[in-house]
Amino acid sequence: LAKTTQPISMDSYEGQEVNITCSHNNIATNDYITWYQQFPSQGPRFIIQGYKTKVTNEVASLFIPADRKSSTLSLPRVSLSDTAVYYCLVGAILTGGGNKLTFGTGTQLKVEL
Amino acid sequence: DAGVIQSPRHEVTEMGQEVTLRCKPISGHDYLFWYRQTMMRGLELLIYFNNNVPIDDSGMPEDRFSAKMPNASFSTLKIQPSEPRDSAVYFCASSFGGTGIGELFFGEGSRLTVL
Repeated sequence: LAKTTQPISMDSYEGQEVNITCSHNNIATNDYITWYQQFPSQGPRFIIQGYKTKVTNEVASLFIPADRKSSTLSLPRVSLSDTAVYYCLVGAILTGGGNKLTFGTGTQLKVEL
Repeated sequence: DAGVIQSPRHEVTEMGQEVTLRCKPISGHDYLFWYRQTMMRGLELLIYFNNNVPIDDSGMPEDRFSAKMPNASFSTLKIQPSEPRDSAVYFCASSFGGTGIGELFFGEGSRLTVL
């Protein structure tokens, strides 16, 4: 199983860029890297997904180096509402990935004024 | 679409009782996942189905747990008999395999408390 390692917590201020890095040394060839956001009393919500290089959508960017052993979620100009737990997920059942879709421990991001 | 619907949202029961959690996936999704979340163990994948067929149940903690998916729009997770250590939030998620990517759509969860 892919073991992902993330910082347990991070603090930031409104308007700053936040980068959360995840290590996944045993990522398999067919695995994708997906990030989810979870608020208290809610299920995780998809943020962004990538396989290699850089992916950007309307809420975040995902940077993946060539060896794919780590990835960085970048949240531009965070606000108080971005306070949540962020999970890095490595796997891809649907494409025959080598790792199941098991979540790591997540990173608690706290954004302050 | 209403999203993944789970019931009940909260369940309090006594040790030894049977618990049944229900899930309605998003229409058209062909993958369904059951996760359990606790403070100690985080989010654990219990079992997942593809086209109503269980594919991998290696995450099911023990024989007291069982899951079924009788049709494409309904799944149950049953615990019999329940124990206090089963207290957790149980999430159901669904996904559409046609994209080949695997974005999971989660329900709001069922919070189970076993006394």
